[in-house]
Amino acid sequence: KAGVTQTPRYLIKTRGQQVTLSCSPISGHRSVSWYQQTPGQGLQFLFEYFSETQRNKGNFPGRFSGRQFSNSRSEMNVSTLELGDSALYLCASSRETVYGYTFGSGTRLTVV
Amino acid sequence: EDKVVQSPLSLVVHEGDTVTLNCSYEVTNFRSLLWYKQEKKAPTFLFMLTSSGIEKKSGRLSSILDKKELSSILNITATQTGDSAIYLCAVEGFPNSGGSNYKLTFGKGTLLTVNP
Repeated sequence: KAGVTQTPRYLIKTRGQQVTLSCSPISGHRSVSWYQQTPGQGLQFLFEYFSETQRNKGNFPGRFSGRQFSNSRSEMNVSTLELGDSALYLCASSRETVYGYTFGSGTRLTVV
Repeated sequence: EDKVVQSPLSLVVHEGDTVTLNCSYEVTNFRSLLWYKQEKKAPTFLFMLTSSGIEKKSGRLSSILDKKELSSILNITATQTGDSAIYLCAVEGFPNSGGSNYKLTFGKGTLLTVNP
């Protein structure tokens, strides 16, 4: 069965621009969560969506936002990009959290 | 705020060695502890440990949860070069406020390098 699909794989953006990343969960998984991974901070939780509702949010500024569609696909948006936003953005989907989380391969965002 | 600390941050061993990776946590309303292996990009699931399942084993890998000490270890015996990766520990907790579901808090990971 298909895994978690993230697009695009790589992105290069300029400071001040905005970016939208996409995540398609495993079929049947209704929960999608997003993480930012940097060498210094490791994996940090951004937010989690379930049935189009945000259930949890991490400690990131309001420039980071997300949404989930009725087919469970999710997008995250970062506005007014800063150099420090350069990172690997990972999403994970789960059917029920008791079964664990499956990660996508991520989107590598570079802000120049 | 939830906190997960892994040690060591990096480790270099020779093939055939046995390694032990450590994870300690402070999490509100703990539900489970998970171990992941990250080689390139996507972390891949290794184990989930809960109050009802504090010890797991799969081949050369095993893990134990110590709920009293709020910690876990991941053991890898007879290491191989293919075990070289970042090993991530994450804990599921339910926030006291501001959220309506469990969320994962990750440690910074242990970079394991296995030399032939």
